[in-house]
Amino acid sequence: QQQVKQSPQSLIVQKGGIPIINCAYENTAFDYFPWYQQFPGKGPALLIAIRPDVSEKKEGRFTISFNKSAKQFSLHIMDSQPGDSATYFCAASMLGSARQLTFGSGTQLTVLP
Amino acid sequence: EADIYQTPRYLVIGTGKKITLECSQTMGHDKMYWYQQDPGMELHLIHYSYGVNSTEKGDLSSESTVSRIRTEHFPLTLESARPSHTSQYLCASRRQGRETQYFGPGTRLLVL
Repeated sequence: QQQVKQSPQSLIVQKGGIPIINCAYENTAFDYFPWYQQFPGKGPALLIAIRPDVSEKKEGRFTISFNKSAKQFSLHIMDSQPGDSATYFCAASMLGSARQLTFGSGTQLTVLP
Repeated sequence: EADIYQTPRYLVIGTGKKITLECSQTMGHDKMYWYQQDPGMELHLIHYSYGVNSTEKGDLSSESTVSRIRTEHFPLTLESARPSHTSQYLCASRRQGRETQYFGPGTRLLVL
C-alpha cells in the first residue's frame, strides 16, 4: 500500500526551466515532508524539508509548496541546470516507528543544456 | 555532509553464500535504518534500530537480519544469499529529536 504517491515518473526540461514534481499523501499523521536528491551510484541526500504548519519553504533555487487540506506537496526547481539532473524522491514521516520514512516512487529529472 | 559509510560498495556473490553488509556512522546517532532499493524504484524500510541492542523489522519483509552491538555500527546479514536478494541496500542514521535521516552511499548486491 503506497502511502505517498509521486508524479511524474520522469521529466525533461530545458536549462533555465522550472520543473515541478508533485506528491500526495494519505496519512494525516505525517508531520515531516523531506525531498531527497539521488545521483546514480550515490545514496539519497536531503535537499529541503517542510512541516505542515507552513505553506511554502524556499532554500536557494528549491521551493516546497505544501497544501495541507489537499494533502499534497510539490517541489519546484527554479532556473534548473544540467547538474540538477538526478532522481528526486519525496518522503513523509511521523512520530513513532522511529520516524521511518515512507518514500514516493521517484522522479527522474533530466535538464538539457 | 554526513559521515556514514557502507562497505562493500559493490558485491557479486553466488547463491547460498553468507554475506554481511557493513554500515558505520561517526555522528553518534542513536537511530539507524536499512532500506532496500531496486533500480529506479522507491526505498523500502527493512530494519531499524532505536539504539544499542534494539532492532525492529520494517514494513518490507526481508530474510536479512541485523545487529546493533555498538552505537556506530549496524551490520546487515544474509545467511544464504539468493538471486531475489539482488538489490541496492542503503543505510541511514538520525539523531534523537531530529527528523533528518542521513544516508550512506549504498551497497549494490548481485547474487548469481
